[in-house]
Amino acid sequence: EVQLLESGGGLVQPGGSLRLSCAVSGFTFSSYGMSWVRQAPGKGLEWVSAISGSGDRTYKADSVKGRFTISRDNSKNTLYLQMNSLRAEDTAVYHCAKHIAVGRWHFDLWGRGTLVTVSS
Amino acid sequence: EIVLTQSPGTLSLSPGERATLSCRASQSVSSTNLAWYQQKPGQAHRLLIYGASSRATGIPDRFSGSGSGTDFTLTISRLEPEDFAVYYCQQFGSSALTFGGGTKVEIK
Repeated sequence: EVQLLESGGGLVQPGGSLRLSCAVSGFTFSSYGMSWVRQAPGKGLEWVSAISGSGDRTYKADSVKGRFTISRDNSKNTLYLQMNSLRAEDTAVYHCAKHIAVGRWHFDLWGRGTLVTVSS
Repeated sequence: EIVLTQSPGTLSLSPGERATLSCRASQSVSSTNLAWYQQKPGQAHRLLIYGASSRATGIPDRFSGSGSGTDFTLTISRLEPEDFAVYYCQQFGSSALTFGGGTKVEIK
């Protein structure tokens, strides 16, 4: 079964850190770019970061540059998002998403997300 | 950054009616780089249309996409009960990616 399953969310204080994981099954993970997309409560979707299939290229939204790092372990079929210096405005459900093809940044598979709450 | 503006914010229609959703870009977007998604509570997001007009795998033909440049449209020819949801357009280019603010299609 094709599946993306996020984990690692929770409550964290401003300035704190959190590491999200996305476990993938049902397709050849290393062949596809992956992204993290977040959705703040009651708001729309915001792309956060992307990584190529091999992991050698990464991209970030300006809002998270210098604070978030995307990575992947193709031997474990797992995508990660290391989030540092968290702010209240980072509160959101974080989804991992599979790119439809190499060089194409549309997402044909999504996880249901993990909630990150940044609050004191 | 390319800003995508979706209209209307909310569309109130009855099952069987036609839905027309608009996505306008702040600057020209390659048709190859424009997609539409459906979001329903408790479910994973679903890719409907990519490349502005290509239906994703398994998407019924009542969903269609059109447009070019700065104006794109998602049309649902006859609304089924399961189509009441929120719809987002999305574009990518120059290693940046943005979504529109969404259109909610609700039952009238």
